[in-house]
Amino acid sequence: NAGVTQTPKFRVLKTGQSMTLLCAQDMNHEYMYWYRQDPGMGLRLIHYSVGEGTTAKGEVPDGYNVSRLKKQNFLLGLESAAPSQTSVYFCASSYSTGLQPQHFGDGTRLSIL
Amino acid sequence: DQQVKQNSPSLSVQEGRISILNCDYTNSMFDYFLWYKKYPAEGPTFLISISSIKDKNEDGRFTVFLNKSAKHLSLHIVPSQPGDSAVYFCAARRDYGQNFVFGPGTRLSVLP
Repeated sequence: NAGVTQTPKFRVLKTGQSMTLLCAQDMNHEYMYWYRQDPGMGLRLIHYSVGEGTTAKGEVPDGYNVSRLKKQNFLLGLESAAPSQTSVYFCASSYSTGLQPQHFGDGTRLSIL
Repeated sequence: DQQVKQNSPSLSVQEGRISILNCDYTNSMFDYFLWYKKYPAEGPTFLISISSIKDKNEDGRFTVFLNKSAKHLSLHIVPSQPGDSAVYFCAARRDYGQNFVFGPGTRLSVLP
């Protein structure tokens, strides 16, 4: 029972490089989310998706892009990485209706040098 | 401006005693609140929730209390166990959707 799987778990980038974080869920959830967690702060929503082919901005979207081409996958892209994007990134998914909690992956630790 | 605050970064409790974790919020439009627990190197896992139409919800050793007038909720763990040692996040739902605002977390240490 995989739940939410994030790839990779760790990554080190140089400033200006690009990369894509992959999130996959096997629970047939409609909603998917990308958060970042920084020291002393709660999880902050970057982008989210309410269904295949749809995406929307969250609280801190600048410098990131996302795509939801398949219902089970949600990709987070960094076009030109900056040191301020050093963080732990969490993907989550949930059902679309009712008061449903989010299910989280184990995170991707990203360092930008 | 943090809309969800957890003013205690850390808390230590003796095994078997009660743990009380607090959370304050500023937005009166929040209508649903959740607590998540997080172990190191893992993602947060859902613990318990409460709707704004209730003032208490209980699940085994975990009870969440909501005081809407004070915009305050608390999580009680009784009795506390060493396995409860983790970071606890309070989260609140806004916009009647599925978007949540998270607090910064409180690290609970349960001492044997």
